[in-house]
Formats: sequence, structure tokens, C-alpha cells
Amino acid sequence: EAGVAQSPRYKIIEKRQSVAFWCNPISGHATLYWYQQILGQGPKLLIQFQNNGVVDDSQLPKDRFSAERLKGVDSTLKIQPAKLEDSAVYLCASSLDGVGDTQYFGPGTRLTVL
Amino acid sequence: AQKITQTQPGMFVQEKEAVTLDCTYDTSDQSYGLFWYKQPSSGEMIFLIYQGSYDEQNATEGRYSLNFQKARKSANLVISASQLGDSAMYFCAMREGAFKAAGNKLTFGGGTRVLVKP
Repeated sequence: EAGVAQSPRYKIIEKRQSVAFWCNPISGHATLYWYQQILGQGPKLLIQFQNNGVVDDSQLPKDRFSAERLKGVDSTLKIQPAKLEDSAVYLCASSLDGVGDTQYFGPGTRLTVL
Repeated sequence: AQKITQTQPGMFVQEKEAVTLDCTYDTSDQSYGLFWYKQPSSGEMIFLIYQGSYDEQNATEGRYSLNFQKARKSANLVISASQLGDSAMYFCAMREGAFKAAGNKLTFGGGTRVLVKP
């Protein structure tokens, strides 16, 4: 079974530029999560989707971050414009609801904002 | 107050020995879940073990076991017979509230870095 896929793996941009990350969850997983992990800290949830609807986006900085999950499968997280403090690893995870709520993570995208 | 506390920022362990990673949590919910994840230098979070708040027995998965002490609100991870490949960051996480179909967010601790010495 293929795991959670993310791209790109690494991205370097300058502040005020925009960037987008892509995530493809495990096949059949209804719930998709985006986490931000700043160096030296544990991941923090940014947004959670159930199919293509948003369940929780309370910690998403909506003035600059946006996310969508069209057709309830792939998801894109966008930052526009980026700030220095957005430098982090962005992790995507998915879970198969109804069987268990274990979240399985992708390899992450490491973003550096200069 | 922090919901998940991991007090050990880093630990050394000799190969083939056991190591215990501490995790304490804070919640007022009666139903919750506790998870441990491993994060090697490659960055991917790897699920290790899960303990539900109503589970009467401590969870075990191969060389991983969870020492769950509900009254003390602790959920320590024990890795037996450490291997060089166990060197990584380890995160404790909690899902508060009863499991629901829409999924539950996880709250993570700050992590513990483990280095296994040959």
C-alpha cells in the first residue's frame, strides 16, 4: 500500500513570495491533515479536512495561508506572501475513519524562507 | 499549561539496552488516545504505538511498549533491545475526546532525541 505522498521535498523562497505544497493521501483515507513543524518543536495542526470539507482550521493563519482539497483526495497548501517565520517542515497526514484514528504521515516539505 | 510534556530533550542509550521515554499529558476528557511517533532524520513521522484511555492493558508492538499510568497521566514509551536504527526523535501525542468519524487532531509534545551508541 502506497503511503502519503508530498511534493516538493524541499523549497527555498524569499520572503513575500508565494509557495504551494501538494499532498496525496493514502488511498481511501477520508481525513487529511496539514501540520507545521518548526525546528525543535512538535508538529502543530494547521487544517483538517474530512473528504473535501474543512473540519478544523482554527490554527491556520488565514491572512496568508490557504488550503483546499478538491474532490476529496489530493490537497494543496499555499502560503502567500511568505514570512521568515514560515520556515518549517510542512507535514501532511491522513487517516482511515471508522477503522481507527491513527494518522499516517508523509515525508514532509522543508520550506526555507530567506 | 502544556497538554503534552516530554521532559527529556535528549538521551543516549547503549545498543541492545532498553530505554524509557517519558510523556505526561493533561486533559479533562475521559476518553482520549495517546500515540507515539518516531521521526528519523529523513523527516517522516512513523507511527509506533497507540493506547486508548479505556484500554486496561498496556499496549505493545514488537520492541515497543507503552507504560500507561492513567492516575498519574503518564504514557511512557519503552524501547527494548535498542538498535542503531532507533536513533531518531520520538514524539508523544494525544487525541482528546472520543474518536469521531471526522477524525481528531493530535497535540504533540516537544519530542525526545534518542541516540543509540554501538
